[in-house]
Amino acid sequence: GIQVEQSPPDLILQEGANSTLRCNFSDSVNNLQWFHQNPWGQLINLFYIPSGTKQNGRLSATTVATERYSLLYISSSQTTDSGVYFCAVVANFNKFYFGSGTKLNVKP
Amino acid sequence: ETGVTQTPRHLVMGMTNKKSLKCEQHLGHNAMYWYKQSAKKPLELMFVYSLEERVENNSVPSRFSPECPNSSHLFLHLHTLQPEDSALYLCASSHATGGYTFGSGTRLTVV
Repeated sequence: GIQVEQSPPDLILQEGANSTLRCNFSDSVNNLQWFHQNPWGQLINLFYIPSGTKQNGRLSATTVATERYSLLYISSSQTTDSGVYFCAVVANFNKFYFGSGTKLNVKP
Repeated sequence: ETGVTQTPRHLVMGMTNKKSLKCEQHLGHNAMYWYKQSAKKPLELMFVYSLEERVENNSVPSRFSPECPNSSHLFLHLHTLQPEDSALYLCASSHATGGYTFGSGTRLTVV
C-alpha cells in the first residue's frame, strides 16, 4: 500500500503563532484529504485537495501531486485548533491510507 | 453534526457480552466504512461496503461482524471481545467521486 508520512509528529504552539504541517506520500493518488481530530475523537474534514491550493479562514492547504506532498498551513493559531491533524490519501477506489498524524497543542 | 451519526458514543462491555454499534448517513453516499483507532496507532481500516456489498475485510477477527442492510445504515456486531479491542471505532461514508465524512465515533471499553 501507499506510505503516508506526516511531520512533525508533535507540535506545541503559543496562541497566535503560525505553523505548517507536512504530508508526504509514496505513490500517485486520486484524492487527498486533511482531517482534524478534536480531543473528543471526532474527525472533521478540513480539505479535499488532490491538487492545488485551497483556503478556509485561517487554514489553507496546498498539494503538489507531482512531487507527492501536501502542506497544511495554520495561521494565528487558537486553542481550539488543538488536536491531531491527519492526512489521508486515496489511490484505488475508496481505499484511504492514513498518516500517523501531527498532534498539535496550542497554549494560551 | 457531520451528516454521519454513530451510536452509542460510549460503550463499556464485558468479554461475554454481545453489543452492536450503529452508523447512519443521510448524505447520499454509496460507500461506508468501519475504522478502528487504538491509542498511539494510525487509523486501521476494518471493513468497506460499497453499494451494500462488502468489498474489503482487512483480516479482522470474526468476533467483529459487520452488517449493511441498506446504503444509509451500517452496523458492527460485537461478541466475546478482548480487552485489547478497546478503542475508538469510527464510521465513515463517501461517494465514489468524493471525499470521506466521518462520524463522531464510539469509544469502546472492554472489561
